[in-house]
Amino acid sequence: GESVGLHLPTLSVQEGDNSIINCAYSNSASDYFIWYKQESGKGPQFIIDIRSNMDKRQGQRVTVLLNKTVKHLSLQIAATQPGDSAVYFCAENIQGGKLIFGQGTELSVKP
Amino acid sequence: GAVVSQHPSWVICKSGTSVKIECRSLDFQATTMFWYRQFPKQSLMLMATSNEGSKATYEQGVEKDKFLINHASLTLSTLTVTSAHPEDSSFYICSAPTGTGTDTQYFGPGTRLTVL
Repeated sequence: GESVGLHLPTLSVQEGDNSIINCAYSNSASDYFIWYKQESGKGPQFIIDIRSNMDKRQGQRVTVLLNKTVKHLSLQIAATQPGDSAVYFCAENIQGGKLIFGQGTELSVKP
Repeated sequence: GAVVSQHPSWVICKSGTSVKIECRSLDFQATTMFWYRQFPKQSLMLMATSNEGSKATYEQGVEKDKFLINHASLTLSTLTVTSAHPEDSSFYICSAPTGTGTDTQYFGPGTRLTVL
């Protein structure tokens, strides 16, 4: 039978293409959101963050968009590279540094 | 950026034994640290908040007597899994806010626990 919780959503893109990873969050009172990258067997690595008073923030090759109306976050990666292959998690800061993580998306970049 | 370390990086133990995992902030002080658990192909689940100088606070469903947390100093928190069982096998990760006026948190590299 099917195992619940053992299948991460996956996104497969060609090297050089742009990637968009989406995330829904749960708490309308959350005011700080972060995207993390996690490679196999390692801890999460900070990518970019955004506060609730903003709807867009750009970093190097990455952009985060926040839509508070529908409680949705997205991470855009420009010119995706093989080194970007990993699992990406969004996280919301609910209280005093406590983070609630989304389910994650596995990004696979084909050379 | 700030660095958080964990030790050991992996551990294998027999069922019924206890295992201690250390989390250290290497270049900053952390009055608060957080412990997460991650099962394969799943997300990180917050287990507890480690507070320097006071008791840890546990998330709902996490047994405080099974997962003992001690925040011994401003740079060290330990998680002890007592009487470990195979279902405790998981990837344990700690994090610490840098306390520089932002909410940025840095994560340790994780500890893979396998209970036989």
